[in-house]
Amino acid sequence: DQQVKQNSPSLSVQEGRISILNCDYTNSMFDYFLWYKKYPAEGPTFLISISSIKDKNEDGRFTVFLNKSAKHLSLHIVPSQPGDSAVYFCAASGWNYGGSQGNLIFGKGTKLSVKP
Amino acid sequence: GAGVSQSPSNKVTEKGKDVELRCDPISGHTALYWYRQSLGQGLEFLIYFQGNSAPDKSGLPSDRFSAERTGGSVSTLTIQRTQQEDSAVYLCASSPMWETQYFGPGTRLLVL
Repeated sequence: DQQVKQNSPSLSVQEGRISILNCDYTNSMFDYFLWYKKYPAEGPTFLISISSIKDKNEDGRFTVFLNKSAKHLSLHIVPSQPGDSAVYFCAASGWNYGGSQGNLIFGKGTKLSVKP
Repeated sequence: GAGVSQSPSNKVTEKGKDVELRCDPISGHTALYWYRQSLGQGLEFLIYFQGNSAPDKSGLPSDRFSAERTGGSVSTLTIQRTQQEDSAVYLCASSPMWETQYFGPGTRLLVL
């Protein structure tokens, strides 16, 4: 059973508008969440992360929100740019969640297309 | 600075052959991870090395898969008697202790 879910396989947004990518998780032991961006034929690139002690983390155009009670996090990109077009992966980790300490559990990704 | 590098970038092999995939982590990173991404799937954890501790092999899908890390640096993932379902992108990542993982470009393996 998937512990990290990205229910939207794709998202299309107009340049300059907000992109909102969503991620849900099932394991309450996760305490660290990350977003990675992946271009074709390249490895994932770290984008932004958030610890479970926070509910928001911001870095330039990128903001991650965490709602622990709903086991939901989202990535907001404002304003969206054509260069943001990529696959975005949500990932989670945590001590003693039942898996290996340190390894990341990934969602299946959401393909973002930002149209000029 | 230099990031994580992997070789080869692409590998085509015949079913039943053995393959070796190499990962050079970022210098000084104590943790090294192997993941794979099959078509249309997310990244699947395979194995994890942390310093001199015994590796966590809990993600390896079968005993045909093995990995080693020599001298706390370079790692080799070996797949014996490859099967078509082993076709995937194999990604290596490294990190300083438990922190953010930095990925290499991956090795695209195709088993015919």
